[in-house]
Amino acid sequence: GESVGLHLPTLSVQEGDNSIINCAYSNSASDYFIWYKQESGKGPQFIIDIRSNMDKRQGQRVTVLLNKTVKHLSLQIAATQPGDSAVYFCGQKGQNFVFGPGTRLSVLP
Amino acid sequence: NAGVTQTPKFRVLKTGQSMTLLCAQDMNHEYMYWYRQDPGMGLRLIHYSVGEGTTAKGEVPDGYNVSRLKKQNFLLGLESAAPSQTSVYFCASSEPPRDNGYTFGSGTRLTVV
Repeated sequence: GESVGLHLPTLSVQEGDNSIINCAYSNSASDYFIWYKQESGKGPQFIIDIRSNMDKRQGQRVTVLLNKTVKHLSLQIAATQPGDSAVYFCGQKGQNFVFGPGTRLSVLP
Repeated sequence: NAGVTQTPKFRVLKTGQSMTLLCAQDMNHEYMYWYRQDPGMGLRLIHYSVGEGTTAKGEVPDGYNVSRLKKQNFLLGLESAAPSQTSVYFCASSEPPRDNGYTFGSGTRLTVV
């Protein structure tokens, strides 16, 4: 899950394996959630979103799962590639979006 | 399609100096935002705007001012820079309703010495 601190959680996966990145959110009233990818030295890029009336949504090689009971969001990346190496963070909609600190994904050759 | 453009990309300031960060978007988005990103922390909202001529405070507004005189531009000002304002600043824009995703700029890395 997300945590506040000086060091980001890190996930290392072998190239070709599936990656699962988790996010715990706090606002149970949020009805919209989003995942961003941020490569080193670049701005965040939209990956996929999900509304609270859904529990799963699929994109190209990515799937987002939403468990409202435990306020948990996950991002699954299939067949992880070197280009997937980045920081991934979730956002939840309140008056404005609130973003978690992220998880650093490292893809091993 | 440029999207969201931030200038400058890098800047070093001395304590007490002032500067303005410029954000420009070419998507005709109504909403614009300024965030700061610090190591190990999520993006924190400084100020935002829901339309030309409007601004509002976010989570960490102290020490910053903003202006939205034109719909496509959102300026972030530091009147008297402090070392605590050393950070990477991101501008973003979006179109109502607010549950549309944000388009981010590539960031401005600011160091205050």
